[in-house]
Amino acid sequence: AIQMTQFPSSLSASVGDRVTITCRASQGITYDLGWYQQKPGKAPKLLIYAASSLQSGVPSRFSGSGSGTDFTLTISSLQPEDFATYYCLHDYTYPLTFGQGTRLEIK
Amino acid sequence: EVQLVESGGGLVQPGGSLRLSCAASGFTLSDHHMDWVRQAPGKGLEWVGRTRNKAKSYTTEYTASVKGRFSISRGDSENSVFLQMNSLKTEDTAVYYCVRVRNYNTNYDALDIWGQGRKVTVSS
Repeated sequence: AIQMTQFPSSLSASVGDRVTITCRASQGITYDLGWYQQKPGKAPKLLIYAASSLQSGVPSRFSGSGSGTDFTLTISSLQPEDFATYYCLHDYTYPLTFGQGTRLEIK
Repeated sequence: EVQLVESGGGLVQPGGSLRLSCAASGFTLSDHHMDWVRQAPGKGLEWVGRTRNKAKSYTTEYTASVKGRFSISRGDSENSVFLQMNSLKTEDTAVYYCVRVRNYNTNYDALDIWGQGRKVTVSS
């Protein structure tokens, strides 16, 4: 199975900060990667698909980049509602696997 | 409105069985692959399995830890997807999410619509 290594596992930041989260795949997955946001007690929400495409309705401060094995999620200017846990997920082959998650906390 | 609503779940003893249902509305179920994803208490997300769409003959895939024990099926006439869980283990304790897979431009898939989740507890 493809392993997805996500880092950092946690991150403290302030409103207005620019933050970057990274996912590294154990083998090439072309652009088959999505990013998901999860708030406590809620279902995850799709933010980015195909590595860099913004899901409809998601604010433009979220962006994704990368291909092959290295991917990043960037939030250009943190807003209070962005404090949550973020996961990457590859859909290149079976089984699909998630990264371990990045908990984004308020500094 | 596009929506997924899970039902079933609850408390079961190790070795027991449980069935989760997922009722879909607002879209044509047979057009979409459908996944199950779970989250153990305080842990990250784990993909459980997939039933492909009608065009792909409703074939299924599973993660290794549930293969042979869990089974995904669907009743398109009822607009529902099911997760049958047999030989349950304590490590299967989790919130289980039913998820729609959307295909973008025929090349890329993503899990775009999630149910609210259903708690399954395996304990004696």
